[in-house]
Amino acid sequence: KAGVTQTPRYLIKTRGQQVTLSCSPISGHRSVSWYQQTPGQGLQFLFEYFSETQRNKGNFPGRFSGRQFSNSRSEMNVSTLELGDSALYLCASSLGADNSPLHFGNGTRLTVT
Amino acid sequence: DAKTTQPNSMESNEEEPVHLPCNHSTISGTDYIHWYRQLPSQGPEYVIHGLTSNVNNRMASLAIAEDRKSSTLILHRATLRDAAVYYCIEVTGNQFYFGTGTSLTVIP
Repeated sequence: KAGVTQTPRYLIKTRGQQVTLSCSPISGHRSVSWYQQTPGQGLQFLFEYFSETQRNKGNFPGRFSGRQFSNSRSEMNVSTLELGDSALYLCASSLGADNSPLHFGNGTRLTVT
Repeated sequence: DAKTTQPNSMESNEEEPVHLPCNHSTISGTDYIHWYRQLPSQGPEYVIHGLTSNVNNRMASLAIAEDRKSSTLILHRATLRDAAVYYCIEVTGNQFYFGTGTSLTVIP
């Protein structure tokens, strides 16, 4: 069974630009979560989608948004990029039931210059 | 947001058991305890989870205190491939909040 796939692996953007990251979950998984990982803040929860609906949301500004498609694939968008948005963005999928273990991809490394 | 407390780092000798502690003093009766680990340049990997009883799988064992305020992840024989950051997480429904984890160094 293929794991969680995130594209692209690396991305370099300039301040003020926007970026879209993609995540393909494990087949059969209906929940996709997004996390931001930085050396100073660790892993921070962004949001979770289940069956195309945002089910949970972390404490990030509205510049961070996401969506999920009918095939469970998900995209995350960050608008008006800031230097502080440089991070590893991780996607995780799960079956979506309470306490279902998360399966992570290897992330997209975003650098904002 | 993180509700768990773990030591920043630990060391273990190769082929010896490792006990990784975690405090979760605010845990509620229905919150599960999950453990994940993150190897360098990879996303976190699921290790084990439990509610009240001790749990075993091929990777590790999880010992949960009777009052559920703490738990211990046990690696029975540490190998160099176990060097990673280990995260202990209280899970409420579908909400996972990661702390800063314990960085485990395995000494050959």
